Amino acid sequence: GQQVMQIPQYQHVQEGEDFTTYCNSSTTLSNIQWYKQRPGGHPVFLIQLVKSGEVKKQKRLTFQFGEAKKNSSLHITATQTTDVGTYFCAGSDSWGKLQFGAGTQVVVTP
Amino acid sequence: EAGVAQSPRYKIIEKRQSVAFWCNPISGHATLYWYQQILGQGPKLLIQFQNNGVVDDSQLPKDRFSAERLKGVDSTLKIQPAKLEDSAVYLCASSLQRGQGYEQYFGPGTRLTVT
Repeated sequence: GQQVMQIPQYQHVQEGEDFTTYCNSSTTLSNIQWYKQRPGGHPVFLIQLVKSGEVKKQKRLTFQFGEAKKNSSLHITATQTTDVGTYFCAGSDSWGKLQFGAGTQVVVTP
Repeated sequence: EAGVAQSPRYKIIEKRQSVAFWCNPISGHATLYWYQQILGQGPKLLIQFQNNGVVDDSQLPKDRFSAERLKGVDSTLKIQPAKLEDSAVYLCASSLQRGQGYEQYFGPGTRLTVT
């Protein structure tokens, strides 16, 4: 079955620095969604990527979908303390069933 | 608009006991999901409803877990009997429809501890 892997598992970042988290699927995806879960909170939808090679930006966050639609990345520039949380990618099949990765837990040091 | 509601927020039970969780999705959302999130892992889909019908329960441990959405609105997830490894957060989510392109809205979850 479909498996979604995320690296790194943990990311310690100094405030103001940039970082990237990666997501890889064992199968070709219909689309990929990204969610953010704050400590003690629930996952909140960030964005969806559908097209091969698609790039979308949300302020300091840049999301990319690979050409083969099997991988994705999230790049955050000028990290802020509000970026703390766990970022999940979730691969979707054509029916919208999501397979979540294990997430990248982001800790920001002031 | 009101978000996804879940209750209770916390539950502590002993192994072999039974427990039930309730979820009320966003009004008008046809698709409802139950996820299990073990500490340090991503949410794992247990069951997906489209209106009052089950469309995917392939990862639901049917010997102990059951779920229903009788009127196509709110839903209940039950565990009977509970095991230690069932300790997790149970998340309910809903989306407008089934299919790619629809984002899922998650409730606050129920944290279950089995002792």
